[in-house]
Amino acid sequence: EVQLVESGGGLVQPGRSLRLSCAASGFTFDDYAMHWVRQAPGKGLEWVSGISWDSGSIGYADSVKGRFTMSRDNAKNSLYLQMNTLRAEDTALYYCTKGREMEPAVIDYWGQGTLVTVSS
Amino acid sequence: DIQMTQSPSTLSASVGDRVTITCRASQSISTWLAWYQQKPGKAPKLLIYKASSLESGVPSRFAGSGSGTEFTLTISSLQPDDFVTYYCQQYNSYPYTFGQGTKLEIK
Repeated sequence: EVQLVESGGGLVQPGRSLRLSCAASGFTFDDYAMHWVRQAPGKGLEWVSGISWDSGSIGYADSVKGRFTMSRDNAKNSLYLQMNTLRAEDTALYYCTKGREMEPAVIDYWGQGTLVTVSS
Repeated sequence: DIQMTQSPSTLSASVGDRVTITCRASQSISTWLAWYQQKPGKAPKLLIYKASSLESGVPSRFAGSGSGTEFTLTISSLQPDDFVTYYCQQYNSYPYTFGQGTKLEIK
């Protein structure tokens, strides 16, 4: 069974940093692309970042480019999102998600999310 | 960046109705489009990928079509469980973008 468990969320002041982690299990992690998707309270979905199986291709939403860095450690079956210079508008539930086989940009599994609140 | 616009934002319908949700891309994305369903308080679920391919386990009353810039999600006979929110997503190029969502309400 595929499991994606996010951690690292919490309350942080504007301008500070936070690092999210995602522990993956139930599939061969290094075979699949992964993505972070966020959802602000009461709002729609926003794709944040995606990374290929080998970290050779990484993309970011314009809203986070230059502030967020996505990475993965295939030896540890783990995904990360380093978030710097956080803003109030980064407040959201952050989902760790898995790319689909043969369609790596399509998301077929989602974690339960970790809540990030940016406030003074 | 490619903008995705869904319409309508809210759709009122009855159990058994056939409904269509539209998603328009600001430039051609071929058939690189997915549809997701999200129930309140839950993570989204993949319904359709590559514009018209049904994900395994998804009921056949869900169907996707379209190419280029205009796409539709059709639910042929609404069931009570279907009255939730739907999102399209383009994956033609980074940054991948979602539509703003369509909430399906019971009339």
